[in-house]
Amino acid sequence: GQQLNQSPQSMFIQEGEDVSMNCTSSSIFNTWLWYKQDPGEGPVLLIALYKAGELTSNGRLTAQFGITRKDSFLNISASIPSDVGIYFCAGHGSSNTGKLIFGQGTTLQVKP
Amino acid sequence: DADVTQTPRNRITKTGKRIMLECSQTKGHDRMYWYRQDPGLGLRLIYYSFDVKDINKGEISDGYSVSRQAQAKFSLSLESAIPNQTALYFCATSVSDTQYFGPGTRLTVL
Repeated sequence: GQQLNQSPQSMFIQEGEDVSMNCTSSSIFNTWLWYKQDPGEGPVLLIALYKAGELTSNGRLTAQFGITRKDSFLNISASIPSDVGIYFCAGHGSSNTGKLIFGQGTTLQVKP
Repeated sequence: DADVTQTPRNRITKTGKRIMLECSQTKGHDRMYWYRQDPGLGLRLIYYSFDVKDINKGEISDGYSVSRQAQAKFSLSLESAIPNQTALYFCATSVSDTQYFGPGTRLTVL
């Protein structure tokens, strides 16, 4: 089945630094979603991408739907302590089953 | 009030016990999902339902069963819990591409 490879697995950065993480797939995806999970909570949607090449921002977050439709990245600018959490990419594959496929997650820690 | 609620939030049980996790939603969505989260493995789909009469197995359905009692309710059962079912369980709903998650149930099987 379709799989997503998310990297890096974890990051430990200084407050104020920019962060970049990405997801890749061996097959085409029709939708890319980025979620954040705070400790003890469920994932919350950050950004949704629907077209190849689409670049979308949500405050300090920016995500892009790769031109090849096989990858996506998420950037966080000027990180702050509340950015701590697990970030997941997810997507709908070309088979359009209605099921989301998730990456393994990137754990972000921010040092004040 | 939360749109997607899960009960209980935490549960400790013993091997062999039957456990039911419940999910309710006020979003009016037809589609509901159950996921399991383990460290380093992301979210894995257990079962999903696109409407009250539709139930489908996900990638890791063995050892689990579900019931869609109404549009707003989707419960997950472990008929005979085993220790490797210790995990964080999430319910989600959707009406299109975007899924909305509940707060999770932390289940420990001793």
